[in-house]
Amino acid sequence: QSALAQPASVSGSPGQSITISCTGTNSDVGTYDYVSWYQQRPGKAPKLMIYDVSNRPSGASNRFSGSKSGNTASLTISGLQAEDEADYYCSSSTSRSTLLVFGGGTKLTVL
Amino acid sequence: QVHLQESGPGLVKPSETLSLTCTVSGHSIFSGYYWGWIRQPPGKGLEWIGTIYHSGTTYYNSSLKSRLTISVDTSKNQFSLKLTSVTAADTAMYYCARGSSTSAANWFDPWGQGTLVTVSS
Repeated sequence: QSALAQPASVSGSPGQSITISCTGTNSDVGTYDYVSWYQQRPGKAPKLMIYDVSNRPSGASNRFSGSKSGNTASLTISGLQAEDEADYYCSSSTSRSTLLVFGGGTKLTVL
Repeated sequence: QVHLQESGPGLVKPSETLSLTCTVSGHSIFSGYYWGWIRQPPGKGLEWIGTIYHSGTTYYNSSLKSRLTISVDTSKNQFSLKLTSVTAADTAMYYCARGSSTSAANWFDPWGQGTLVTVSS
């Protein structure tokens, strides 16, 4: 069982927007702004899409955005495209001894 | 452009030591960033293993700490992982990655392509 809770799957049609949630606790998401989101296509290494809750690295599409409210962080993908189909993972720093925790991952299907 | 490449045996026997090296190119390990290891069991999610700074300061996942050593060789621009007393539960894709410049437990970018390590006799 992962420390951060994500929905197992989400889906959307091309052009739509979807949001993936990442729910933690006051020990991680609720306290730290060190929340990141990764995209992982089949057979590939994860790619950073959002860091520090809402910052987008160069190379990440501006259709990706991040936010946080309380113990829940969210990744929103607008204008869904077929190439967005992938697994998405959130991570957060934590005050627990594990220091950094990941969510269980969410499979995005573009219908 | 920074590039990371993992190397090491793809098969390790139970109870033995898993050893991997990450070679960094296009970027000095002295650059002020943290460097980390993350693993992913087949069909499962990501698990942070640990992070090192060029000074040699290390940060470990407490669940692995008793078996784990991460070290850095600045002369070769490499950092390494050793995990002792491995079991089948350590079978995973192992990734090395560059971390942030502000925290040992934050984002990682970019990642190496990963190397699959299987623990089996």
